[in-house]
Amino acid sequence: KQEVTQIPAALSVPEGENLVLNCSFTDSAIYNLQWFRQDPGKGLTSLLLIQSSQREQTSGRLNASLDKSSGRSTLYIAASQPGDSATYLCAVDTGGFKTIFGAGTRLFVKA
Amino acid sequence: DVKVTQSSRYLVKRTGEKVFLECVQDMDHENMFWYRQDPGLGLRLIYFSYDVKMKEKGDIPEGYSVSREKKERFSLILESASTNQTSMYLCASSFQREAYNEQFFGPGTRLTVL
Repeated sequence: KQEVTQIPAALSVPEGENLVLNCSFTDSAIYNLQWFRQDPGKGLTSLLLIQSSQREQTSGRLNASLDKSSGRSTLYIAASQPGDSATYLCAVDTGGFKTIFGAGTRLFVKA
Repeated sequence: DVKVTQSSRYLVKRTGEKVFLECVQDMDHENMFWYRQDPGLGLRLIYFSYDVKMKEKGDIPEGYSVSREKKERFSLILESASTNQTSMYLCASSFQREAYNEQFFGPGTRLTVL
């Protein structure tokens, strides 16, 4: 059974710091991995999707990597800003319309 | 830009009422999903649909039903609302492309059942 774990559960950093959020999954047979951002009381915003054949994806200050063999993905945020404060979730698509979500990392960027 | 809209941001209903949550997407996506999100339990799939009039149970379908009469619209129905259905409900949609079925979410409906 696929399980997705995100560590740490919460993170507080000063503005301007580069940071890494971690996501691990137990079964390497995935179609893709998606990173989302969720602001309090809101829906999920898609940040990046990495297909199973890819190693990384970049969008602005965000870079996501995927290592299927080790069951790990990281989301790198460069030069963090207070506006980056949110909960970040990763989700793996295992096929058959089944997406498994992690519990998320709550990020707080201090001004 | 993909847009997924949900009929209400906040909803308060009484126990036993029939509740309709509506979701509309404007990108011609084949797949649509209903999740609920609860603290400590994360996102759980209630139902999904991969085509008009097609529906499949997710992990927690009990107490819910769905309807998809048109491709762009997917409705979640609580036949007789109960307090344990108080939750955040999230709708999502995606194309049917195996390696690239990026999911796009609506803003969510916070439902409170009294």
